[in-house]
Amino acid sequence: QQQVKQSPQSLIVQKGGISIINCAYENTAFDYFPWYQQFPGKGPALLIAIRPDVSEKKEGRFTISFNKSAKQFSLHIMDSQPGDSATYFCAAAETGSGAGSYQLTFGKGTKLSVIP
Amino acid sequence: GAGVSQSPRYKVTKRGQDVALRCDPISGHVSLYWYRQALGQGPEFLTYFNYEAQQDKSGLPNDRFSAERPEGSISTLTIQRTEQRDSAMYRCASSPRQGSPEAFFGQGTRLTVV
Repeated sequence: QQQVKQSPQSLIVQKGGISIINCAYENTAFDYFPWYQQFPGKGPALLIAIRPDVSEKKEGRFTISFNKSAKQFSLHIMDSQPGDSATYFCAAAETGSGAGSYQLTFGKGTKLSVIP
Repeated sequence: GAGVSQSPRYKVTKRGQDVALRCDPISGHVSLYWYRQALGQGPEFLTYFNYEAQQDKSGLPNDRFSAERPEGSISTLTIQRTEQRDSAMYRCASSPRQGSPEAFFGQGTRLTVV
């Protein structure tokens, strides 16, 4: 059972445009939602993360929007640049008391290509 | 080092051989995770340590897989009697504090079983 569903699988955006990647989750105990950026040959790097007590978090050109009732969250990349071309993974973890390992459950990834 | 270091970067082994994959976490990081990432997929959780204690091994696929972190720093993931289906990228991640969900990943070990 896939607990975090990510879409689209691939995305092509023109330079300067907005990239939007969506994720949906099923486990209502999840309370930590990070996004990871992965360049070819590299490990995933933490980009931005949100907790469900806020609906939006912005860091530079990157914004997470979170909809707790719909169990959905999304990553928006404003003014997308060719250097943003990478694979993006959403993830979720259960960090509440007694949750144990805080293991991350990842989506399948979105390959973003930003064309000049 | 500045980041999580994994060795070897690439490992090719024959079916039936044992392999040991090493992870050196960020200095001072308390928690250490092992994940497995298939091509075109996100990482999947294998096991987790706080200091030297293995807190969760629910993601290990079968008893051929084991992990240890005897001194609370470097960890080794061992796969016995490797099978072709074990071929994947094995990634280690560390977190600065117990209970912190922030995970910093290494570059991984690409294991190919032939």
